[in-house]
Amino acid sequence: DIQMTQSPSSLSASLGDRVTITCRASQDIGNYLTWFQQKPGKSPRRMIYGATNLEDGVPSRFSGSRSGSDYSLTISSLESEDVADYHCLQSIQYPLTFGSGTKLEIK
Amino acid sequence: EVQLVESGGVLVQPGRSMKLSCAASGFTFSSFPMAWVRQAPTKGLEWVATISTSGGSTYYRDSVKGRFTISRDNAKSTLYLQMDSLRSEDTATYYCTTGPYWGQGVMVTVSS
Repeated sequence: DIQMTQSPSSLSASLGDRVTITCRASQDIGNYLTWFQQKPGKSPRRMIYGATNLEDGVPSRFSGSRSGSDYSLTISSLESEDVADYHCLQSIQYPLTFGSGTKLEIK
Repeated sequence: EVQLVESGGVLVQPGRSMKLSCAASGFTFSSFPMAWVRQAPTKGLEWVATISTSGGSTYYRDSVKGRFTISRDNAKSTLYLQMDSLRSEDTATYYCTTGPYWGQGVMVTVSS
């Protein structure tokens, strides 16, 4: 199975900060990487697909990138509405595997 | 508007069975593979199963293989998850999903 190692597990940042969350894949997953945002008590929302493609309606302060086996979700300027859990998912191979999640809070 | 509406969640005893449904609308259901993803209380997301557009191919995580069955009725635009021999570790909110779309989730509690 492909392991997705997500870091950090929690993150506290100030409004306006640049925030980066990373997932490292244990095997080659190409660009089969999706990022989800999940607010408390809500269903996940797809933010980024194909590692770098922004979902329709997602603010442009969100972006996805890849460097080798490391995949990153970056928020260029943190806003209060970005407080949520963030999850990565690899979908190149079954079983599909998620990262362990990152809880993002405002400092 | 795309909608995925799960139903069927309830409290069930270990070893018993339960069937979840997911009614889809607002898109051509038969054209999309569908999946179930679950989330145990205070835990992360966990993929459970995926079914192809025709239903001819299914995929499961090891911990549910042989106990859970994913199926679909394209005429009714409905996805199912038959869960047998339920265990306490199956306690979770179950979501149906495809692409960017997610249902609201349905809670399944396995407890005596």
